[in-house]
Amino acid sequence: EVQVVESGGGLVQPGGSLRLSCATSGFDFSNYEMNWVRQAPGKGLEWVSYISSGAALIYYADSVKGRFTISRDNAKNSLYLQMNTLRAEDTATYFCARETFRYGMDGWGQGTTVTVSS
Amino acid sequence: QSALTQPASVSGSPGQSITISCTVIGSDFVGDKFVSWYQHHPDKAPKLMIYEVAKRASGVSNRFSGSKSGNTASLTISGLQAEDEADYYCSSYTTSSVVFGGGTKLTVL
Repeated sequence: EVQVVESGGGLVQPGGSLRLSCATSGFDFSNYEMNWVRQAPGKGLEWVSYISSGAALIYYADSVKGRFTISRDNAKNSLYLQMNTLRAEDTATYFCARETFRYGMDGWGQGTTVTVSS
Repeated sequence: QSALTQPASVSGSPGQSITISCTVIGSDFVGDKFVSWYQHHPDKAPKLMIYEVAKRASGVSNRFSGSKSGNTASLTISGLQAEDEADYYCSSYTTSSVVFGGGTKLTVL
C-alpha cells in the first residue's frame, strides 16, 4: 500500500523558515517523480514544486521561486521542502504527491499545515 | 499565461448525472491528452480520479468518466451518490509546471 506522510508544519513568523518532510513507503520511491502542492484556507489546490526521480529536474511555482527549495533522499524514501522568507500568503496545508510522468499524481498524503503569522 | 477554468459549483440529486467542465486557456500546455481530475474531501488526501483525459485511476468507480472536446475537458459522474460530494479539480501540465483549475464544489442534494 502506498503511504505518504507529511510532517514539519507549524506556526512561524513572517520572514522565518521551516522545513517540511514527506516520508513514503509501499513503492519504489527512487522511480517516481514527486511534487509539493498546497491549499490555502478556503482556496483551491496550488502546485508548488516538482522534482524528478533522480533530482535532475526541479521546477517551482513563480510564487515560491527563490524562497523554497525542494530536495529528496532516495536512500531514505523521503522528500523535503525547505521554505525560507515565509510570508502570510504561504499559510496553507502542504501536500506531498507522487507522480508518474504526466499521468497525474496518484499518491497523496493528508498534508501538514503551515501558518505564517506574527 | 496558462490557466484552467472550472465552474465554482455544481449540484445534482442522488442517481442523477452531472458534468464538470474545465476550459483550457493559453497555449503553454503540453499536448492534448495530459488532463487529470482529482477528488478532494475536506481534511482528506486528494485522490486521482482520471488521468490522460479519460483513463480511470486504479480503484475508481466506472461511474466517473472523462472526455475532452476542443479546449474543454469534462468530468462526468453518473448515478450520483452522497459520498461523491466533494471538491473536484482538473489539472494539466506546461513544460515546467503543473496547473490546477480553481476547483468545483459538487453538492449532492
